[in-house]
Amino acid sequence: EVVLTQSPGTLSLSPGERATLSCRASQSVSSSYFAWYQQKPGQAPRLLIYGASTRATGIPDRFGGSGSGTDFTLTISRLEPEDFAVYYCQQYGSSPWTFGQGTKVEIK
Amino acid sequence: QVQLVQSGAEVKKPGSSVRVSCKTSENTFNNYAFSWVRQAPGQGLEWMGRIIPVLGLTNYAQNLSFQDRVSITADKSTTTVYLELRSLRSDDTAVYYCTKGDGSWVGDALDFWGQGTMVIVSS
Repeated sequence: EVVLTQSPGTLSLSPGERATLSCRASQSVSSSYFAWYQQKPGQAPRLLIYGASTRATGIPDRFGGSGSGTDFTLTISRLEPEDFAVYYCQQYGSSPWTFGQGTKVEIK
Repeated sequence: QVQLVQSGAEVKKPGSSVRVSCKTSENTFNNYAFSWVRQAPGQGLEWMGRIIPVLGLTNYAQNLSFQDRVSITADKSTTTVYLELRSLRSDDTAVYYCTKGDGSWVGDALDFWGQGTMVIVSS
C-alpha cells in the first residue's frame, strides 16, 4: 500500500498569502494518477487537481499542482477567504487507492 | 448535470449489516466507475472500493479496517450502486460517500461526490 504523508499538518496564513502544501509518497506514484481535494466543514470533498497538475472543471487558476515520483505539491498563489479548508492528496494508480491525512489551512 | 443521490442516515447495532445506496442517471451509470469513500468523525478519507457497472468489475481495499466485510454492487434496472458493510463495529461509524470517477477505467480521480450518508454503529 502506498502511504501518503502530508505536511504540514496545519498551515496558518493570512488572506492574500501564498500556500504551499506537500505530499510525500512511500513509493513512486505515476503523476497521471495523483490528485488533490479540498474539503470544507460539513461538506463533501471537491476535486481540485488530477493528473498531478491539471485543474478540475471550475477550479480557479490560483490553484496549481506539481511534482512527480514521490514528492507532490499543491500551491495556492493568493489565498482567498473561501480557500481556508482541509486539503487531501490521493493516489489512484496503485490499489488500494490511498489518501494523505490532510493539511488544514487556517486563517492566521 | 451529474447526480449522485445517496440514501439516508442509519443507526445500526454492532454485528449487524448496513446497505447504502447511490442513485444516478443512466448515462452516468453506464459510462463511469464509482468508488466508496468513508470518513470517520474528525478523521481523514478512506477509500473502500470501486465498481465499474458496465464491465461488472469490482476492486476492494484489502486492509484490516474492513477486509472481507465489504461488498459493492450495482443494479442496472435502477441505475443504483450499493455499498454493503457487514459485521459492523463501533469504529465503522462514519460518513460514507459515493463518488464518480472521471472516466478512466484504469484509475480515475473522484470528480463528483454524493452528499454522504451518516452511519452510526451503537448498542
